[in-house]
Amino acid sequence: RKEVEQDPGPFNVPEGATVAFNCTYSNSASQSFFWYRQDCRKEPKLLMSVYSSGNEDGRFTAQLNRASQYISLLIRDSKLSDSATYLCVVNRGTGGGNKLTFGTGTQLKVEL
Amino acid sequence: ETGVTQSPTHLIKTRGQQVTLRCSSQSGHNTVSWYQQALGQGPQFIFQYYREEENGRGNFPPRFSGLQFPNYSSELNVNALELDDSALYLCASSLVGTSGNTIYFGEGSWLTVV
Repeated sequence: RKEVEQDPGPFNVPEGATVAFNCTYSNSASQSFFWYRQDCRKEPKLLMSVYSSGNEDGRFTAQLNRASQYISLLIRDSKLSDSATYLCVVNRGTGGGNKLTFGTGTQLKVEL
Repeated sequence: ETGVTQSPTHLIKTRGQQVTLRCSSQSGHNTVSWYQQALGQGPQFIFQYYREEENGRGNFPPRFSGLQFPNYSSELNVNALELDDSALYLCASSLVGTSGNTIYFGEGSWLTVV
């Protein structure tokens, strides 16, 4: 079983739609959680951190459920520019926190 | 943009050869990690360097080795290249003592093994 599991998609949605991505992780000792965005043939870029209390950044909302070891990302009012691969990421390290475990990514295609 | 630079950006090697990839971390960052991203997969943790010593390693064979220099820049060396080593190699820098949201990735080095 992979440490971080995501539905690979692709998710094809019309512009303006709401789309939700889910992710599960297996290591209960995981310290911190993130969503990264990766455009085609580019490096991953941090989209947002994920907290148990839930956090929102504009059209994006992330949620963590530690008991279920489940992470979610909700994108409202999808834009064409949201088309990318979204990577669920778990940090097992402490301190420098650079030992990231990535899911395989979920591909999103927003269409006119 | 992130202050993390990698070289070369693209290279082609023959099976059995050796390759060295380089990374300059963001100013002030003392920790460097390397990741391998095969096509259609998420990045996989190779190893991390802190204060010029390896500080954690993923599930990669010994032919993957690295160095970190006093200026915190780093090298990834891969010996006896195999076709499956074809991937995007990403370097990430961070500062010990901070949380994961201060990790910065370079643009990567695309390695093709033929």
